[in-house]
Amino acid sequence: DTGVSQNPRHKITKRGQNVTFRCDPISEHNRLYWYRQTLGQGPEFLTYFQNEAQLEKSRLLSDRFSAERPKGSFSTLEIQRTEQGDSAMYLCASSLSGTEEKLFFGSGTQLSVL
Amino acid sequence: RKEVEQDPGPFNVPEGATVAFNCTYSNSASQSFFWYRQDCRKEPKLLMSVYSSGNEDGRFTAQLNRASQYISLLIRDSKLSDSATYLCVAGEYGNKLVFGAGTILRVKS
Repeated sequence: DTGVSQNPRHKITKRGQNVTFRCDPISEHNRLYWYRQTLGQGPEFLTYFQNEAQLEKSRLLSDRFSAERPKGSFSTLEIQRTEQGDSAMYLCASSLSGTEEKLFFGSGTQLSVL
Repeated sequence: RKEVEQDPGPFNVPEGATVAFNCTYSNSASQSFFWYRQDCRKEPKLLMSVYSSGNEDGRFTAQLNRASQYISLLIRDSKLSDSATYLCVAGEYGNKLVFGAGTILRVKS
């Protein structure tokens, strides 16, 4: 499968625990995005990377969220001290930078914080 | 005000109907525009790009009006399989893409 891959597909955790998600983008794509989506809403931008550089982080993102893309390939998104409000679908997307940048999404990680 | 706004619907239409969705964006610097389709509990998938000159792909036509900051999607001869949420997307070149909340379409036989 040469698409965007995300792991795990589902994560159930207790409030206060830390969680980490992984995203493997399409291999030739240099950009990688993290979005969050809740029921009835569109994907909400969290952060994005060009190669290993994190270029932008949403102002809505608290300090409990951190993302890395250490070698410009896969990326991890960590949420520390999870809260019930963090429950959502976390979507990763990758793209090739250019004048018409199209995002290709993974299947997402569904997080439930109890 | 949200950066990309859409009528949430739902739009309930019979098979064979023509349906149109509208979307407005607030960032006048936006230069990239798309429609994505999202099925229930699935990831968004690119439907088509949107250009000022219009873009047609089979039964789907997308249009951009830069002066009004308005994007549209027209679906002709609706099929049951068109039932989904349609997400309007806008962004600046080299910057993040911003998604609307989506418009729900239900096509009924």
